[in-house]
Amino acid sequence: EVQLLESGGGLVQPGGSLRLSCAGSGFTFSSYAMSWVRQAPGKGLEWVSDISGSGGSTYYADSVRGRFTISRDNSKNTLYLQMNSLRAEDTAVYYCAKESRYCSSTSCYTAYFDLWGRGTLVTVSS
Amino acid sequence: QSALTQPAYVSGSPGQSITISCTGASSDIGSYNFVSWYQQHPGKAPTLLIYDVSNRPSGVSNRFSGSKSGNTASLTISGLQTEDEADYYCGSYTGSITLVVFGGGTKLTVL
Repeated sequence: EVQLLESGGGLVQPGGSLRLSCAGSGFTFSSYAMSWVRQAPGKGLEWVSDISGSGGSTYYADSVRGRFTISRDNSKNTLYLQMNSLRAEDTAVYYCAKESRYCSSTSCYTAYFDLWGRGTLVTVSS
Repeated sequence: QSALTQPAYVSGSPGQSITISCTGASSDIGSYNFVSWYQQHPGKAPTLLIYDVSNRPSGVSNRFSGSKSGNTASLTISGLQTEDEADYYCGSYTGSITLVVFGGGTKLTVL
């Protein structure tokens, strides 16, 4: 079965750290770029970060750049999000999502997300 | 990069058609045909409904259709059914280091 399964969420104090994991199965994990997308309680979707299939390129939303680090271990079919200096506004359900990208000779375009995990809740509170 | 603009609420009766708009900028929707739509039922993860403006993934009903004009994309649901009641989000590639932007979401109520 093609699926993504996140883990690692929980309650953390402001300023603390947390590492999320996302295990992929049923597809060739290393062939696909992956993203983290979050959703604060009662709010909309917010793209957080992206990593290429090889792990060689990464992108971040302005709201998390410098605090979060995305990585992947293709030998374990697993995506990670290291979150440091957490703030109350980082409280959200974090989803990992498989990307569909189109690449030309010079650029790649993140077109859409065709597979989502169930999400893991991160609560930042004292 | 600002979020795309969607109406907060839309409603319709069973069997009717509704359209949800998604307004962006010349730098995102206006520049790329990488607009996608997602459906999210309460407590569930989003699922892909439409990709590349107007394409449906396998398994998605042909009652769902997408289009784009200028900086605005639209999702139309025809023959509304009660199970269509959900939140709908649009998304677009931006061409900037903030790769993707989503709309604020539209809650569809089927009366």
